[in-house]
Amino acid sequence: AQSVTQLDSHVSVSEGTPVLLRCNYSSSYSPSLFWYVQHPNKGLQLLLKYTSAATLVKGINGFEAEFKKSETSFHLTKPSAHMSDAAEYFCVVTGNSGGYQKVTFGTGTKLQVIP
Amino acid sequence: ETGVTQTPRHLVMGMTNKKSLKCEQHLGHNAMYWYKQSAKKPLELMFVYNFKEQTENNSVPSRFSPECPNSSHLFLHLHTLQPEDSALYLCASSQEDGVGYGYTFGSGTRLTVV
Repeated sequence: AQSVTQLDSHVSVSEGTPVLLRCNYSSSYSPSLFWYVQHPNKGLQLLLKYTSAATLVKGINGFEAEFKKSETSFHLTKPSAHMSDAAEYFCVVTGNSGGYQKVTFGTGTKLQVIP
Repeated sequence: ETGVTQTPRHLVMGMTNKKSLKCEQHLGHNAMYWYKQSAKKPLELMFVYNFKEQTENNSVPSRFSPECPNSSHLFLHLHTLQPEDSALYLCASSQEDGVGYGYTFGSGTRLTVV
């Protein structure tokens, strides 16, 4: 079985303060994990990915995420929020089970950045 | 632009119309996908094509008909849709099914059924 849970549907931060978007997953196989960002009226853009290499992954626009197997988490962080970070963020888990590829999207977290 | 182009960006159609959505990628990817994104619901995978062959049809109603003439182009043919089909339809492509590689998404087609 495979699932992903984004614990917050909305997160609001002030500009210049840290961002934390939470993601927990479950997977019966060795997963790959991704974060995507979607700005209004746009498609999804890949922010970063974990594929069994370094557990701390750096992505675009100053975002990073840490894979913690013991906590089954892959939280997205950024030290200082910019107004342009306001968007919806999706955590994704993928896995290979018996040759079948399965991709599961989270329900998304909307990030609001307050000036 | 991401390398995945979807047209049209917006589409309004009546329930008796027939229309098609187009997706094009020139990234050399071998897999293409249709997703449906509705308000307050998770992304729903509709169809998967690997090397032009459909490998997944996620219980999608027959009023949605995909076509993949080659590995760079993907269509979604629409006919006799219902108002609940109004959504953002996203096309994506990937190399090796997306596992470990990630998807490249298009900007989507915003479909409104009236």
